[in-house]
Amino acid sequence: EAGVTQFPSHSVIEKGQTVTLRCDPISGHDNLYWYRRVMGKEIKFLLHFVKESKQDESGMPNNRFLAERTGGTYSTLKVQPAELEDSGVYFCASRSTRESYNEQFFGPGTRLTVL
Amino acid sequence: GDSVTQMEGPVTLSEEAFLTINCTYTATGYPSLFWYVQYPGEGLQLLLKATKADDKGSNKGFEATYRKETTSFHLEKGSVQVSDSAVYFCALSPRGSYIPTFGRGTSLIVHP
Repeated sequence: EAGVTQFPSHSVIEKGQTVTLRCDPISGHDNLYWYRRVMGKEIKFLLHFVKESKQDESGMPNNRFLAERTGGTYSTLKVQPAELEDSGVYFCASRSTRESYNEQFFGPGTRLTVL
Repeated sequence: GDSVTQMEGPVTLSEEAFLTINCTYTATGYPSLFWYVQYPGEGLQLLLKATKADDKGSNKGFEATYRKETTSFHLEKGSVQVSDSAVYFCALSPRGSYIPTFGRGTSLIVHP
């Protein structure tokens, strides 16, 4: 079974540009999470989808960040316009509520560099 | 709010050395505690967990004991291998939550 995948693995953009990150969860996982790790700091929660609905977006830093999960499958996280402080590694995770062991499975992350 | 503090890295060891990575936490109630590992180029993986005081989580030779009296969850391994080189994250989740609060991560480098 394929794990959580994220695209791209790396992205380098200039301040003011737009970037869209994509996450494909494990098939059938209805919960999808986005996290961010700024260089050398903690991994911070951004938001949580249940199917296509935003369950919790309390961690989203500001309105330059827009997350979507149309159809309840893959998710995108758009940053527009990007600022220098947005640089970091963005992780996605998915979890099934149907399985008895409700572990989150993480993707490899997208490393975003804003110049 | 909840927080996790873990030792600064990198931790550099020779193969077969003993490993300890310290982790302490601040939380209300009785959270679940976790260690995650991220190998180069891969996603975070759950390494082990403990859900109540005095529980010991173990996996792949790694162990950590939930110590409520010292609010600690130190990660240990008796004999590290080069393949253990990775970044290790300590984390906690309050009861009923699946969203972890992470520490800053500790990089482990094991030399042959």
